[in-house]
Amino acid sequence: QKEVEQDPGPLSVPEGAIVSLNCTYSNSAFQYFMWYRQYSRKGPELLMYTYSSGNKEDGRFTAQVDKSSKYISLFIRDSQPSDSATYLCAMTSPVDYKLSFGAGTTVTVRA
Amino acid sequence: DVKVTQSSRYLVKRTGEKVFLECVQDMDHENMFWYRQDPGLGLRLIYFSYDVKMKEKGDIPEGYSVSREKKERFSLILESASTNQTSMYLCASSFLSGAGGEQYFGPGTRLTVT
Repeated sequence: QKEVEQDPGPLSVPEGAIVSLNCTYSNSAFQYFMWYRQYSRKGPELLMYTYSSGNKEDGRFTAQVDKSSKYISLFIRDSQPSDSATYLCAMTSPVDYKLSFGAGTTVTVRA
Repeated sequence: DVKVTQSSRYLVKRTGEKVFLECVQDMDHENMFWYRQDPGLGLRLIYFSYDVKMKEKGDIPEGYSVSREKKERFSLILESASTNQTSMYLCASSFLSGAGGEQYFGPGTRLTVT
């Protein structure tokens, strides 16, 4: 079993829809959670970072962490065609500088 | 702005060739990483380095080696390229603190071994 499982997708949504992306994990030592966005033929870029259970908002993006269920989510409100990308969840523990990644979910927002 | 650069965007090599992939970061980060990314498998860690001349194996080190002679530069070496090493290779760097561990990525090198 992988340490991090991510809903595989792909997802195709109309412009303006809410996009919901999810990851589960098995390692209870994970305390820091990240979402990366990767455009086609580019490297991943950090989108959201959180270390506590609950919600964190940044513009149209909300990261949600439920440590008791070992479950994290990313929501994109009012999705735009420019949000079309692959989204990767990543996580780590306080004593490890290696990240564990999900396999990624490819999202297409149709104009 | 953190900048991580990789020496090539696209490379085509023949089976058995020795291949060098170079990565340079300009933010004085202690940690540097090499990943490969394959469809459905996500990012898999090949090697990482937490200091000059220091290295540790990641999850899939077989067939690869690394070199870090200067803090800003981390090289990945394929001693004898094989077709199953055709992949996207990503370099990343981060601060030593570890807490949070957010990594900054380069643009990637798409390597094809024929």
